[in-house]
Amino acid sequence: GAGVSQSPSNKVTEKGKDVELRCDPISGHTALYWYRQSLGQGLEFLIYFQGNSAPDKSGLPSDRFSAERTGGSVSTLTIQRTQQEDSAVYLCASTFTSGSSYEQYFGPGTRLTVT
Amino acid sequence: QKEVEQNSGPLSVPEGAIASLNCTYSDRGSQSFFWYRQYSGKSPELIMFIYSNGDKEDGRFTAQLNKASQYVSLLIRDSQPSDSATYLCAVLVGGSNYQLIWGAGTKLIIKP
Repeated sequence: GAGVSQSPSNKVTEKGKDVELRCDPISGHTALYWYRQSLGQGLEFLIYFQGNSAPDKSGLPSDRFSAERTGGSVSTLTIQRTQQEDSAVYLCASTFTSGSSYEQYFGPGTRLTVT
Repeated sequence: QKEVEQNSGPLSVPEGAIASLNCTYSDRGSQSFFWYRQYSGKSPELIMFIYSNGDKEDGRFTAQLNKASQYVSLLIRDSQPSDSATYLCAVLVGGSNYQLIWGAGTKLIIKP
C-alpha cells in the first residue's frame, strides 16, 4: 500500500518568511511524529500526535513552530519567520499501534533551506 | 530524563564478518526496542524490533535484548558493503502515552 508522503520534497525560502510542510500518513495509523534532522546529526523530536489526545509539543524549539493534524490524518508543520538555523530535513513518521506492536514508518522528508 | 545511548562510530568491519551494534537505555520501564537503518540522504527504515528478553533473528540480522542490563544489540552476519549505513536504536517508553526515544546512531562501514 501507499507509504508516508511529504510535500514539498525541497523548499528554499528567504529568512523571515513562513513555510508550511505537509505530511500524509499511512491510512489507519493513529500516531504521527514530526522530527528534524540536521546534516550528520541524529533525529530531533518536535511534536507527537496520538489519536484524539492533546499533542505532545515538548520538542518544538520555539513558538515560531506549530503543527496541527486535521481529522486524525494529514498534518501540517508551520514555521513562522524562518531563521537560517531552521535549515534541516523535516521528517514525518506514521505509527501503527496494536497491542504490543508499535511500528513507525518515515516519509521521505522535506529538505528546508533558509537563505 | 529518558536516554538512549549509542557509540557514534564509525564502526569499520570487513566484508563477510559480523557487525555488532550496541545500544543502552535508561528507562527500566521501556517496553519495546527498535533498530532502524538510515542510508545517507535517506529516511530511516525499520529493520528489526524486539519486545522480549533474548534473541530475535531475521535473515542476517539478530536483535538481542537484555532488560536486566538495559541494553539491546544488533548483529549483522556476513556483512555486505550495502549494509554500510547509520543504525539508529529507538526505545518505546511511557504508560498511557507511548513515545519513541532515539539514540544518535552508529555509523557502520563495511570494507570490501
